[in-house]
Amino acid sequence: GENVEQHPSTLSVQEGDSAVIKCTYSDSASNYFPWYKQELGKRPQLIIDIRSNVGEKKDQRIAVTLNKTAKHFSLHITETQPEDSAVYFCAASISAGYTGNQFYFGTGTSLTVIP
Amino acid sequence: EADIYQTPRYLVIGTGKKITLECSQTMGHDKMYWYQQDPGMELHLIHYSYGVNSTEKGDLSSESTVSRIRTEHFPLTLESARPSHTSQYLCASISGWGNTIYFGEGSWLTVV
Repeated sequence: GENVEQHPSTLSVQEGDSAVIKCTYSDSASNYFPWYKQELGKRPQLIIDIRSNVGEKKDQRIAVTLNKTAKHFSLHITETQPEDSAVYFCAASISAGYTGNQFYFGTGTSLTVIP
Repeated sequence: EADIYQTPRYLVIGTGKKITLECSQTMGHDKMYWYQQDPGMELHLIHYSYGVNSTEKGDLSSESTVSRIRTEHFPLTLESARPSHTSQYLCASISGWGNTIYFGEGSWLTVV
């Protein structure tokens, strides 16, 4: 099955700096890659996603890039703010029609933004 | 409001007790999941269901059981709780054609 690795496990940045979290996957059939943010004591929530037919996607201060050849994808957060502090999970999914969508999550990255 | 609901949110029980964690979603989703997560740590899939009368074990060995008698309801039962079961349990769902997985707010279980 799919194996998703995520690095780093912890990341501290100064407010205003950029943060980058990287994930690799093993199954070339994976075609959907979401990122989830989980604040302390809260549920994980989708913040951005990318499909395999796209190389990059941006939404305000966050962006995701995908390199299908190398089987890795990354989350980029620019101009970080204290409210960006959370645990971030990447995931890979094989979407195969109605019965598809088996998700494989990375191990999470705890991001701390220092004011 | 369309959402996924979990009860209880917090529970402390004694070793050997039976407990059922409830999960209901009002979005009409076919696929539902149970994840176990220690605070800030990775998500471990323990059970999932493709629809009514469908249940499968996940990647993490678990002493719990699930049932799916109704589309909207996916309860998780621990027949005999142990301290090693202390954790957060997250229920999630996704529509048949969808890609976005929605999580409940979680049930924090402490076994003493």
